[in-house]
Amino acid sequence: NAGVTQTPKFQVLKTGQSMTLQCAQDMNHEYMSWYRQDPGMGLRLIHYSVGAGITDQGEVPNGYNVSRSTTEDFPLRLLSAAPSQTSVYFCASTMDRYHSYTFGSGTRLTVV
Amino acid sequence: AQTVTQSQPEMSVQEAETVTLSCTYDTSESDYYLFWYKQPPSRQMILVIRQEAYKQQNATENRFSVNFQKAAKSFSLKISDSQLGDAAMYFCAYANTGNQFYFGTGTSLTVIP
Repeated sequence: NAGVTQTPKFQVLKTGQSMTLQCAQDMNHEYMSWYRQDPGMGLRLIHYSVGAGITDQGEVPNGYNVSRSTTEDFPLRLLSAAPSQTSVYFCASTMDRYHSYTFGSGTRLTVV
Repeated sequence: AQTVTQSQPEMSVQEAETVTLSCTYDTSESDYYLFWYKQPPSRQMILVIRQEAYKQQNATENRFSVNFQKAAKSFSLKISDSQLGDAAMYFCAYANTGNQFYFGTGTSLTVIP
């Protein structure tokens, strides 16, 4: 089925470890974004991309890196995990704002 | 920067009754889109309804409708004939001309049988 695929669905990391959250879409969407969802804080934009080779920071970029080498893939890298990065992470893509976002199913990350 | 405010962290409604969820936003732009998303316990984000700022007519999707007040920067969601399946977290969202989406903090809706 067409859509946004996020892996893994669950992950536990130790403080200081690094990891990459994978995100792939097969709808040829130019716009892709990463959000984190925390209780009482809604969804906050981490990084976004308007096309292959172009990325920019959102509201809460510290501690995260992204790259966009292809239209399909938009991985999110945690450089050195901290307990404050415990959250649910969503990847989303869209053709344009009229069509709204298609969201992945989310990754629940716990940093201990 | 744009901000989206949902002032009701929790709401409840009797089954078959009507409930209204509030949302306000702050922007200096005149061209933007507004959305309501539903997030059930499955965690999946589901688009409920969309409103284009240049359209004065309020959007409607079956039992869901909005009250869009552009001058007041208000965008409320009305759910009519509430059903048990409507229980979820609801997020209001704003999309600017750069296709960046900003979300409110959410309203948790409980439907009482």
